Amino acid sequence: KAGVTQTPRYLIKTRGQQVTLSCSPISGHRSVSWYQQTPGQGLQFLFEYFSETQRNKGNFPGRFSGRQFSNSRSEMNVSTLELGDSALYLCASSLSSGGEKGYTFGSGTRLTVV
Amino acid sequence: SQQGEEDPQALSIQEGENATMNCSYKTSINNLQWYRQNSGRGLVHLILIRSNEREKHSGRLRVTLDTSKKSSSLLITASRAADTASYFCATDGTGGGNKLTFGTGTQLKVEL
Repeated sequence: KAGVTQTPRYLIKTRGQQVTLSCSPISGHRSVSWYQQTPGQGLQFLFEYFSETQRNKGNFPGRFSGRQFSNSRSEMNVSTLELGDSALYLCASSLSSGGEKGYTFGSGTRLTVV
Repeated sequence: SQQGEEDPQALSIQEGENATMNCSYKTSINNLQWYRQNSGRGLVHLILIRSNEREKHSGRLRVTLDTSKKSSSLLITASRAADTASYFCATDGTGGGNKLTFGTGTQLKVEL
């Protein structure tokens, strides 16, 4: 079956702009979570959505937001971009409880803020 | 903030040798997972060990978990050049929902 699809793969934005990233989970997976990876802070949890509801949220400012649609596809939005938002953004899909197969990650969107 | 620390940060070995990576974490967990990442791409799930398990095997991988010490180790036996990647441990906590807390990662280089 198809894996987790993230679009776009690469993105260059200017400081102050906003950006929307998309994630399509594996068919049948209802949980989508987002992570930010930077050289300085490593992999950090942003938020998780399950059945269109945010179930968990990490320690990020309100400029980071997300949503999930009825087909489980998820988007995350970052407003008023800062240079420090440059990162690899990864989404992961899973069944409700993660299960024995863990989480399946997409290839990520690499965001560069200039 | 990250919960886990991994040791060593970097490891260089010859093909055919074994590679051992260690991970420590801070809070109660439901399970601990190991992931591989090649060159800043997506993470690939390798193995999951539940909090009531002590050891688990999958192919050339062996994972141990010591909940009393809040630590885990990943052993890759008979390593290959294709195993060159970054390896991360991640804990799934007891707070509900799906939220992984990642370690700092070990960069493994397997040389021919």
